Amino acid sequence: DGGITQSPKYLFRKEGQNVTLSCEQNLNHDAMYWYRQDPGQGLRLIYYSQIVNDFQKGDIAEGYSVSREKKESFPLTVTSAQKNPTAFYLCASSPRTREKLFFGSGTQLSVL
Amino acid sequence: QQQVKQSPQSLIVQKGGISIINCAYENTAFDYFPWYQQFPGKGPALLIAIRPDVSEKKEGRFTISFNKSAKQFSLHIMDSQPGDSATYFCAASGGNKLVFGAGTILRVKS
Repeated sequence: DGGITQSPKYLFRKEGQNVTLSCEQNLNHDAMYWYRQDPGQGLRLIYYSQIVNDFQKGDIAEGYSVSREKKESFPLTVTSAQKNPTAFYLCASSPRTREKLFFGSGTQLSVL
Repeated sequence: QQQVKQSPQSLIVQKGGISIINCAYENTAFDYFPWYQQFPGKGPALLIAIRPDVSEKKEGRFTISFNKSAKQFSLHIMDSQPGDSATYFCAASGGNKLVFGAGTILRVKS
């Protein structure tokens, strides 16, 4: 069953804590993306990766970090520097950049 | 230059009616314009997409109209059904990234 798996579905962060959101894909896609969704603001790009061991900042990268050590995996760390982390986080992949994006089911991050 | 402006923010349509959502962009380098549909608690899914060499694309009840000179494009949902109730996002791309509109919450009343 091919697709993108995000975990966990819900995540709570304490003040000053770093948390990591998981994203795994078995579609053999080269490109992977992280978006943040806030009500009324659409989807904003955090980071994207076109190939293993390479990634680029998106429009709102401050307070976030990523790694791309394997083609299938693109984890996102929300660091303590991100002062407003409460949002719905979406991971996506595509065969190449600018092509159809396949999204995971998202992770809702909230601050305790 | 990177913005895509989407309207309306929300829309209520009677079952069987036509739903129309509009988007406008500034960056003339954009050359790929998809629409995504998102149900609550789920990730968006591609609905239909168009490139600027055509003015209209139709897939079933969904049609994209594209006006290159006005830098506008719109989604028309014919014979709208309650199952179409979702959030719709337009997007545009001219490089390695997609820029999304703010989204339209569509509710189809039965």
